[in-house]
Amino acid sequence: QVQLVQSGAEVKKPGASVKVSCKASGYTFTGYYIHWVRQAPGQGLEWMGWINLNSGRTSYAQKFQGRVTMTRDVSATTVYMDLTSLKSDDTAVFYCAREKIGVTSYYFDHWGQGTPVTVSS
Amino acid sequence: QSALTQPASVSGSPGQSITISCTRINTDVGDYTSVSWYQQHPGKAPKLILYDVTNRPSGVSDRFSGSKSDNTASLTISGLQAEDEADYFCGSYSINRDLRFFGGGTKLTVL
Repeated sequence: QVQLVQSGAEVKKPGASVKVSCKASGYTFTGYYIHWVRQAPGQGLEWMGWINLNSGRTSYAQKFQGRVTMTRDVSATTVYMDLTSLKSDDTAVFYCAREKIGVTSYYFDHWGQGTPVTVSS
Repeated sequence: QSALTQPASVSGSPGQSITISCTRINTDVGDYTSVSWYQQHPGKAPKLILYDVTNRPSGVSDRFSGSKSDNTASLTISGLQAEDEADYFCGSYSINRDLRFFGGGTKLTVL
């Protein structure tokens, strides 16, 4: 079955970076995008960007451009999201989510369990 | 301000039906033909419940249905059950297909 398993909770100081991983299994890895979504405490879902797992091409929300980098390791079927220059309002749960490549439908059919990141001095 | 707007909260009694709207409010959103809906229980990851406006993934109850008229998509939950109490988010995409958007979310309370 399809699984997206994320790395564990992180605690970081302001100005530091965090790297969250998302291990995919149960499907053809390169047939999909992986998107990253942020959810601050008590808030809604905020789309951060995607990586095409076939080509490695990325697209980021303007809000995160310059601070976020998404990469993938095809042999390990793992995707990484690196967020730099952390601020206290980056405290959130980060989710990875899958979307199929090459179709005209846009939706996230499987999600990771979420990785809480706390930014505090 | 989100490109998609939803009511902050809705409520209903068990057995009733409720509808949650999702309105496209700016032109950043594309042709709005592929609208999706997600259910999120507290402390859990979101779960896809509708895609392409009206389609249900396998395993999702047929009590969940969707529709769209012009710039507003709607999620209807019929025969409300206590387990439906959750946050609901709509999603769509940009004109160039590169960006994705979520609505601000709607908290459903089952009275």
